[in-house]
This record gives sequence, C-alpha cells and structure tokens, in this order.
Amino acid sequence: DAGVTQSPTHLIKTRGQHVTLRCSPISGHKSVSWYQQVLGQGPQFIFQYYEKEERGRGNFPDRFSARQFPNYSSELNVNALLLGDSALYLCASSRDTGRPDFYEQYFGPGTRLTVT
Amino acid sequence: GQQVMQIPQYQHVQEGEDFTTYCNSSTTLSNIQWYKQRPGGHPVFLIQLVKSGEVKKQKRLTFQFGEAKKNSSLHITATQTTDVGTYFCAGNSGGSNYKLTFGKGTLLTVNP
Repeated sequence: DAGVTQSPTHLIKTRGQHVTLRCSPISGHKSVSWYQQVLGQGPQFIFQYYEKEERGRGNFPDRFSARQFPNYSSELNVNALLLGDSALYLCASSRDTGRPDFYEQYFGPGTRLTVT
Repeated sequence: GQQVMQIPQYQHVQEGEDFTTYCNSSTTLSNIQWYKQRPGGHPVFLIQLVKSGEVKKQKRLTFQFGEAKKNSSLHITATQTTDVGTYFCAGNSGGSNYKLTFGKGTLLTVNP
C-alpha cells in the first residue's frame, strides 16, 4: 500500500504570499494531522482532522487554516507568509477510529517551504 | 500548556556502546510515543506506551514509561551505525485533547 503522500516536495514563496500544501493519507485512514518542523526542533502540532471535522488546533495564528475532503485528503493553507514560516510541513495519518486514544502517526515525506 | 523535554540534545557514541535518551513531561500523560527521524527523512513510529511503569522491548531497544506517567526513556544496547538519527518522544494528555506534543529530540551519531 502507498504511504502518506504530500505535494509539492519543495516550495519557495515570497513574504506576504499564500501557500496551499496537500496531503493524501494512507488508504483507510480517516484522521490527518499537520505539523510544522523547524530545523533542529521536534514537529509542532498545527491541526488534526477526523471525518472532515477539526478535532484539534495547536498554537498557530489564524493565518493557518486547513480542511479535509470527503476522500480524507487534506489541505493546509497559510496566508500572509512570514519569513518564520519557513519550515518542513509534515502531514500524518492514523487509523484512528474516533476514540480519543492516540494511534500511531504515519508521516509523509513533508513539504519544504522556504519564504524569502 | 503541556511541555515535553528531552535530554540530551546530542549524543555521540562509538559503535557498540549503549545510548539512552530521557523524556519528561510537565503534565501527566495518557500515553507516550517514540519516533525516529533519519537525517533528511520524516519521523517513523517506533512504539507507544500507555500503562504506568510499562516496559517494552524491540530487539536492542528498550522503552520505559514512568510510574507517574510523566517521564519515559529509550535505551539502545550496543549501538550500530544504522541507529543514527534523531529520536523524539511525543506525549498526549488524553481526554478530548488530540494534540500530540513532541520533544525537541535527541540526535544520535555513531562512530564506526
């Protein structure tokens, strides 16, 4: 089975621009989470979606938004990009059945965003 | 908010030596997960611990969850060059909180 896929792999944007990152979960996984990983740091939680509903949000400004589609794929949108938004954006899916217990996260390869 | 701290930040060992990384949470955890990220790669799930005092082994790797469910450790016996990477712990406080909080990780390098 294919793993989590993300597109694009790399992206260069200018300050003030908008970006959309895409993620396709493992087949059968209904939960998708987004993380931001700055070099030398651990992944930082941005959002989690389950069955198209936002189930968790990290400490990120409203410039960050996301959504999940009926096929469980997801988009992360970032508006008014800042230099500090430069990071690796990771998407992870899990076979979460809706219970609050946590299941292992399967991470995609990430999108490397550079803001100049 | 919940904080997860990991020490050491870096560890360099000779091949064959043992390695341990420690994880401490500011709050009681419902469960803790461990991930490994190779240089240039993405985090890969290793294990999840749920019960107080739980110990799990995977070949040369031993994972422990503290009695108070606020700390955890990963111990690697007789390191190999294939163990190189950053090891992260990630905790969740349970209930309706779906946020997984990662530590900053421990970068392990192994000299052959």
